[in-house]
Amino acid sequence: SAVISQKPSRDICQRGTSLTIQCQVDSQVTMMFWYRQQPGQSLTLIATANQGSEATYESGFVIDKFPISRPNLTFSTLTVSNMSPEDSSIYLCSVGGQGAAVGETQYFGPGTRLLVL
Amino acid sequence: GQSLEQPSEVTAVEGAIVQINCTYQTSGFYGLSWYQQHDGGAPTFLSYNGLDGLEETGRFSSFLSRSDSYGYLLLQELQMKDSASYFCAVTPYSSASKIIFGSGTRLSIRP
Repeated sequence: SAVISQKPSRDICQRGTSLTIQCQVDSQVTMMFWYRQQPGQSLTLIATANQGSEATYESGFVIDKFPISRPNLTFSTLTVSNMSPEDSSIYLCSVGGQGAAVGETQYFGPGTRLLVL
Repeated sequence: GQSLEQPSEVTAVEGAIVQINCTYQTSGFYGLSWYQQHDGGAPTFLSYNGLDGLEETGRFSSFLSRSDSYGYLLLQELQMKDSASYFCAVTPYSSASKIIFGSGTRLSIRP
């Protein structure tokens, strides 16, 4: 299994500002994933972050709003830019299980709870 | 595209058995996974079905029938700590590197 940490664990931000969320994994992984989970809802994939290449964004998410960095195999950041109250959500990073098909198992960080006022 | 539907809420009694269903419309996938998420916590992996049939892991079992586009998670000997949200998820053939989550089921256990 993988141990994942995220910073910050929670934040309250003013609209129009930006927040960068950090994700650290205890082992080297090829792909890292960023999800958004709104209260009481399911998880929605924002993008897949590959080391050495640009992130791949899902429909409805764009790089200008959610820029992602992946400087090495154990770390990634997600920035929520020009925030509005609609961005209030939990943001989770995850990695696929080692030695198994990515989809079989994913491990999640504890999440970042964001409230935009 | 992919669409996975689950009942939004299920209530059961401590010690009983409960089944959480997942019906899907998808163009094809590698397998069906189940995740548990307690309030305020991160999702944790429970089980995976790559093939049709039943997979058993302790008190939890998961079933998949591709011909029926249907799967379920079975929880036995329910405990209060099983109160959580449960999500089914698939890895689509169109992109083996990611998983798509179902709508989620909130399970409440009564004493």
